[in-house]
Amino acid sequence: DGGITQSPKYLFRKEGQNVTLSCEQNLNHDAMYWYRQDPGQGLRLIYYSQIVNDFQKGDIAEGYSVSREKKESFPLTVTSAQKNPTAFYLCASSIRGDGEQFFGPGTRLTVL
Amino acid sequence: AQSVTQLDSHVSVSEGTPVLLRCNYSSSYSPSLFWYVQHPNKGLQLLLKYTSAATLVKGINGFEAEFKKSETSFHLTKPSAHMSDAAEYFCVVSGGSQGNLIFGKGTKLSVKP
Repeated sequence: DGGITQSPKYLFRKEGQNVTLSCEQNLNHDAMYWYRQDPGQGLRLIYYSQIVNDFQKGDIAEGYSVSREKKESFPLTVTSAQKNPTAFYLCASSIRGDGEQFFGPGTRLTVL
Repeated sequence: AQSVTQLDSHVSVSEGTPVLLRCNYSSSYSPSLFWYVQHPNKGLQLLLKYTSAATLVKGINGFEAEFKKSETSFHLTKPSAHMSDAAEYFCVVSGGSQGNLIFGKGTKLSVKP
């Protein structure tokens, strides 16, 4: 089955720790995205990548980092510099940068 | 610059009655428009998309939306609500930096038995 997987589904972190969220796709899509979702806020773009070994900051990149070493993988690291990291994180991919995006099931991160 | 406004944060209907979720957009060119649905603690699923073909777009699960350029609207409708339609719905416009998508803040649809 083609699709996007995110792991883990739930993640707990202590303050001051970095944590990495996984996103993998087997759709052969060039573009991948990370969004943060908070209640009543909609989705806000953190980082995106249009091609391997290249990525750009979105609207709320501070406190986050990404890498794109392989076409199918786009991991997101939430660093200790992120002041309020508790949120639902969604990964998406698309064939090209302005088309329909396909979403993973999400990871809920809670900082204890 | 592109933007999208969902006019209602919460809509409540009775099962079997029509659904109307309102969306207005702003775009400096002819945009692509999408509606996505999200059930609790799940990812987003595409309901339908408009890409400058027919102005009345039919989607999955009986939903449809009409693109009205003169009103800059893309409202989502369904003739008869089902309990399984209870979810959050997002109106989305293309055209952010480098062609990214811009999401509305969402409308939560409740369906009463």
